[in-house]
Amino acid sequence: QSALTQPPSASGSPGQSVTISCTGTSSDDSGYNFVSWYQHHPGKAPKLIIYEVSRRPSGVPDRFSGSKSGNTASLTVSGLQAEDEADYYCNSYAGSNNLGVFGGGTKLTVL
Amino acid sequence: EVQLVQSGAEVKEPGESLKISCKGSGYSFISYWIGWVRQMPGKGLEWMGIIYPGDSGTRYSPSFQGQVTISADKSITTAYLQWSSLKASDTAMYYCARPIMARGLISKIDYWGQGTRVTVSS
Repeated sequence: QSALTQPPSASGSPGQSVTISCTGTSSDDSGYNFVSWYQHHPGKAPKLIIYEVSRRPSGVPDRFSGSKSGNTASLTVSGLQAEDEADYYCNSYAGSNNLGVFGGGTKLTVL
Repeated sequence: EVQLVQSGAEVKEPGESLKISCKGSGYSFISYWIGWVRQMPGKGLEWMGIIYPGDSGTRYSPSFQGQVTISADKSITTAYLQWSSLKASDTAMYYCARPIMARGLISKIDYWGQGTRVTVSS
């Protein structure tokens, strides 16, 4: 069982926004904001889309945004497009595993 | 261009040994950690462990300590994941990945290999 909890599924229509939560990250006062998000299309390599809670790597559309409140991080995908349909994983450090852990993953469906 | 290129799919029987590889290019291989992530069929991603090729220092997730061996050959910029005795439960996709460390923790994984599928079946 993952130390980070994500909803197993999320969905939205093209153009809409959807938010995926990730609960179990360190609290805001820990000084560590190492939450990252990955997009994974089956059969392909995962892709970094958000790091350090809200930073976007170059080349990632600004439709993807991240935030954190307390021990819950969130990924918001705005202006949903068909190609956004994928599995999304959060990652953060958690307690005894100093490598960090992944959330269980959320399958995003674009209706 | 940074690339992590993994070895091909493997089909093995229980009890056999296996070593899969990940060749890094386009960056200073000895200056970055590199590691392995498991994805079992229908399941999520799990960190297995990482290695710093510069000094071969390793860190393993508790679940994988003693179950696998991670190594690297800096002369050929290649990292390895090795099993001495495979089990059916080792059937999974294995990704190599380059974590970026900050204050001793992983802040992000900026590059991934294409994955190596390992099937263990009698």
